Amino acid sequence: EVQLVESGGGLVQPGRSLRLSCTASGFNFADYAMHWVRQVPGKGLEWVSGLSSDSVTIHYADSVKGRFAISRDNAKNSLYLQMNSLRAEDTAFYYCVKDRGAGLVLPFDYWGQGTLVTVSS
Amino acid sequence: QSVLTQPPSASGTPGQRVTFSCSGSSSNIGYNTVNWYQHLPGTAPKLLVYSNTQRPSGVPDRFSGSKSGTSASLAISGLQFEDEAEYYCATWDDSLNGPVFGGGTKLTVL
Repeated sequence: EVQLVESGGGLVQPGRSLRLSCTASGFNFADYAMHWVRQVPGKGLEWVSGLSSDSVTIHYADSVKGRFAISRDNAKNSLYLQMNSLRAEDTAFYYCVKDRGAGLVLPFDYWGQGTLVTVSS
Repeated sequence: QSVLTQPPSASGTPGQRVTFSCSGSSSNIGYNTVNWYQHLPGTAPKLLVYSNTQRPSGVPDRFSGSKSGTSASLAISGLQFEDEAEYYCATWDDSLNGPVFGGGTKLTVL
């Protein structure tokens, strides 16, 4: 069974940093691209970032470009999102999401339960 | 404002057929396949339809997708109370060089 478990969310002040982690199991993590997708409470889904299975191809949404960094450790079956210079508008549930292919080919076929990041003073 | 346009709400009664629309442009739906997700509050979103019309294993054939030009649709037949959820369309956008979502349609089963 595919499982994606996010951690690292919490309350952080504007301008500070936070690192999210996602631990994967139930599939060969090294073979698939992975993404982060977020949802502001009560709003729709927004793709944040994605990287290919070999970390060669990386894309970011314009809203986080230059502030967030996605990475992965295939030996640890883990995906990360380093979030710097956080803003109030980054407050959201952050989902770890598996791609159906090795590149950023979509669809997102499995999602984690999400971790809440709250940016507030 | 979402790149893909979905009506904010829809409703139906048990047994009915409902459809959800998703409108985009040539840079997204026009040249890429569309995927649909079901999201119940507090749970992980679930892939319902991919590549416009394909269903993952385990998804009932009550759910069906279609695409024409720069628009796509999801249909649910034989509506059940358990179908009450938010439904999102998504695809790749060549101009933005990333995936984009619709704003979601909240389905209420009366």
